[in-house]
Amino acid sequence: QQQVRQSPQSLTVWEGETTILNCSYEDSTFDYFPWYRQFPGKSPALLIAISLVSNKKEDGRFTIFFNKREKKLSLHITDSQPGDSATYFCAASVDSGYNKLTFGKGTVLLVSP
Amino acid sequence: EAAVTQSPRNKVAVTGGKVTLSCNQTNNHNNMYWYRQDTGHGLRLIHYSYGAGSTEKGDIPDGYKASRPSQENFSLILELATPSQTSVYFCASGDAGDYAEQFFGPGTRLTVL
Repeated sequence: QQQVRQSPQSLTVWEGETTILNCSYEDSTFDYFPWYRQFPGKSPALLIAISLVSNKKEDGRFTIFFNKREKKLSLHITDSQPGDSATYFCAASVDSGYNKLTFGKGTVLLVSP
Repeated sequence: EAAVTQSPRNKVAVTGGKVTLSCNQTNNHNNMYWYRQDTGHGLRLIHYSYGAGSTEKGDIPDGYKASRPSQENFSLILELATPSQTSVYFCASGDAGDYAEQFFGPGTRLTVL
């Protein structure tokens, strides 16, 4: 049973547009939601994260919006650049010292110049 | 700078053979993780450890064992490799405590023939 779902599976946008990546989860005990980005041929790296106490988290061109009631998150990338082309993973974890992450299947983003 | 290394980077094994994947981290992190990444599945947690001598089952532990002989080293062992274990394997490390970032190694591409 997939606990973290992402959509769309893949997405192509033009340079300068705003990209919106979606994530939803089922487990009500999840309370931390990091997004990891993976460039082709590279390993994943943390991009931005949000916890249950927040509705929004910004870091430069990247913003997470969080609807707790519907258990949905979205990652917005403003002024998308070709260098943003990568796979974006939404993940979730429960408050514990082990920080076990459950990842979604990812969204492959291509930004065309 | 966080440093997680994996060896080998590429491995071809035969069905039924034993495979050991190694991971070393110089971050002095308590937690270490093994994931596999397959197209269409994202990242899935196989085993994790919260310190030397400890190993815990993740979400897909069947067919895998893990060993954490020291703070720095975490191994993934396939006693009887099968073609279904062909994948890219990532090791990661992270601090203990809530919401800690995970730092990923470069990955090992394993092919089981």
